[in-house]
Amino acid sequence: KAGVTQTPRYLIKTRGQQVTLSCSPISGHRSVSWYQQTPGQGLQFLFEYFSETQRNKGNFPGRFSGRQFSNSRSEMNVSTLELGDSALYLCASSLPSDEQFFGPGTRLTVL
Amino acid sequence: SQELEQSPQSLIVQEGKNLTINCTSSKTLYGLYWYKQKYGEGLIFLMMLQKGGEEKSHEKITAKLDEKKQQSSLHITASQPSHAGIYLCGALSGGGADGLTFGKGTHLIIQP
Repeated sequence: KAGVTQTPRYLIKTRGQQVTLSCSPISGHRSVSWYQQTPGQGLQFLFEYFSETQRNKGNFPGRFSGRQFSNSRSEMNVSTLELGDSALYLCASSLPSDEQFFGPGTRLTVL
Repeated sequence: SQELEQSPQSLIVQEGKNLTINCTSSKTLYGLYWYKQKYGEGLIFLMMLQKGGEEKSHEKITAKLDEKKQQSSLHITASQPSHAGIYLCGALSGGGADGLTFGKGTHLIIQP
């Protein structure tokens, strides 16, 4: 079974731009969660999607948004990028009430 | 909100030695996950503990959950270079409504 895949793996953007990250969950997993990891704050929960609906949301500004498609693939969008948005963005997929399996992450650098 | 404190923050251990990493929660633990991360990469699921007193082992790694103390420990026996990495504990917050809350991680270095 293929694992969680994320594209792109690395991304460099400048302040003010916007970015879209993609996550393909494990086949059969309908829940996709997104996390931001930085050296200072560690891993922080962004949001979770289940069956194309945002089910939960972390404490992040509205510049961070996401969506999920009917095939469970998910995208995350960050608008008006700030330097502080530089981070490793991880997505995880799971079955209901089961452990989350993480992808390799997308390393975003904002210059 | 729930907070998870891991100790130690970093650990340097000689190959072959045993070690323990602790994870203490500020609130009642309903489930505790252990993950391992290689620097800059994704998380690898190790174990999930759901019941107080539960203990699970996989190869040379054993994890225990002490519900009363709101604490979990991860023990590695006869450490190997492949054990090096960042170990993270995670717990469901807000009944799951806040996703997984993670500790800051324990950086483990294995010295040959």
